[in-house]
Amino acid sequence: QQQVKQSPQSLIVQKGGISIINCAYENTAFDYFPWYQQFPGKGPALLIAIRPDVSEKKEGRFTISFNKSAKQFSLHIMDSQPGDSATYFCAARGGFYGGSQGNLIFGKGTKLSVKP
Amino acid sequence: GAGVSQSPSNKVTEKGKDVELRCDPISGHTALYWYRQSLGQGLEFLIYFQGNSAPDKSGLPSDRFSAERTGGSVSTLTIQRTQQEDSAVYLCASSLAVPEQFFGPGTRLTVL
Repeated sequence: QQQVKQSPQSLIVQKGGISIINCAYENTAFDYFPWYQQFPGKGPALLIAIRPDVSEKKEGRFTISFNKSAKQFSLHIMDSQPGDSATYFCAARGGFYGGSQGNLIFGKGTKLSVKP
Repeated sequence: GAGVSQSPSNKVTEKGKDVELRCDPISGHTALYWYRQSLGQGLEFLIYFQGNSAPDKSGLPSDRFSAERTGGSVSTLTIQRTQQEDSAVYLCASSLAVPEQFFGPGTRLTVL
């Protein structure tokens, strides 16, 4: 119930295309859903995040779509660029209750390659 | 301002040795988290500090792992009697009473 399942494991997109990464969760108590971008040899960098009371959040070319009833959320990267090539992680926060420490629970990551 | 820093960036050690990994959080951030990232895997939560206190250490994978935080700032993750399965990137994140966690660059630990 504490898992976050992410798909696909890898994704190849042409420059200018739309990259879509999906995540699913089971614990309805999760209260915060961030996406992180990680380049090789670097730590994850917060990209965009959403709360469950919002169905969509857009920041520049990055959009999170959130479906509370389906317990799914996705990251859309519009006009994908070669510089977007990185590993993307979705995550969920368990709040501060029932032994949870507000830590993030991560999906296993999606390696995105954007071809020029 | 300065982000989260970690040292060393790389550590190679022999099986059975002890190692210490250091994290300097963003100044003023009260919450500090340690995660472990194994090759091709997501991030695994290890331990959380609020101030100098770690309310729950159950995320640590074995009693060979310990962590402390002093002065509400710097944290040290210690792994005793390292094993090859401890090889991973150890990441530290800090937070200021909000959900956003900001990660450091990590320490890549290799146990030979």
